[in-house]
Amino acid sequence: KNQVEQSPQSLIILEGKNCTLQCNYTVSPFSNLRWYKQDTGRGPVSLTIMTFSENTKSNGRYTATLDADTKQSSLHITASQLSDSASYICVVSDRGSTLGRLYFGRGTQLTVWP
Amino acid sequence: EADIYQTPRYLVIGTGKKITLECSQTMGHDKMYWYQQDPGMELHLIHYSYGVNSTEKGDLSSESTVSRIRTEHFPLTLESARPSHTSQYLCASSDGDSNQPQHFGDGTRLSIL
Repeated sequence: KNQVEQSPQSLIILEGKNCTLQCNYTVSPFSNLRWYKQDTGRGPVSLTIMTFSENTKSNGRYTATLDADTKQSSLHITASQLSDSASYICVVSDRGSTLGRLYFGRGTQLTVWP
Repeated sequence: EADIYQTPRYLVIGTGKKITLECSQTMGHDKMYWYQQDPGMELHLIHYSYGVNSTEKGDLSSESTVSRIRTEHFPLTLESARPSHTSQYLCASSDGDSNQPQHFGDGTRLSIL
């Protein structure tokens, strides 16, 4: 069964600290893995997309890694800011169709305290 | 910021009413999607479209219907709302191949009394 599991479910950190969010998946065949940021009451916003051949991609203070062999990904946030408080969603796409079916994780709810 | 808009943002309405949730994008994207999201849960695809006059049902069974008469417009309709339809509905669009990101609207939070 194709699944995407994220951990931790929630996380609280102090402003300025670093953190790492985890994503494990069983989706096959694999096409790409995406990380989205969803602020409360808003739609998800794409942070990174990685294909099979990419093992790291950065977007400002966000760095995503991908290990396609172990089917694991992480999102590292450096020097956290209050505005980083949001849900971070891992999404994996398969190669089963032109649409590229997406499998969504439930997200990690990050809270950054001052 | 992606140019995809959903209206209304919030809707509280009684059981049995007909509802249309609007979604428009100005990016000229061929593919559009409707997702349903409950608090703390993953997004579930309920409808998608490859282009004008193309609509397909998604993974999650839904009593809603969609239409795609124009590229930029992808409305979702519930003929007779029920409390079980209470949820957040997110519209998205994308272009190109499956490695392109989906751009999401800010959603409609629907509450059926």
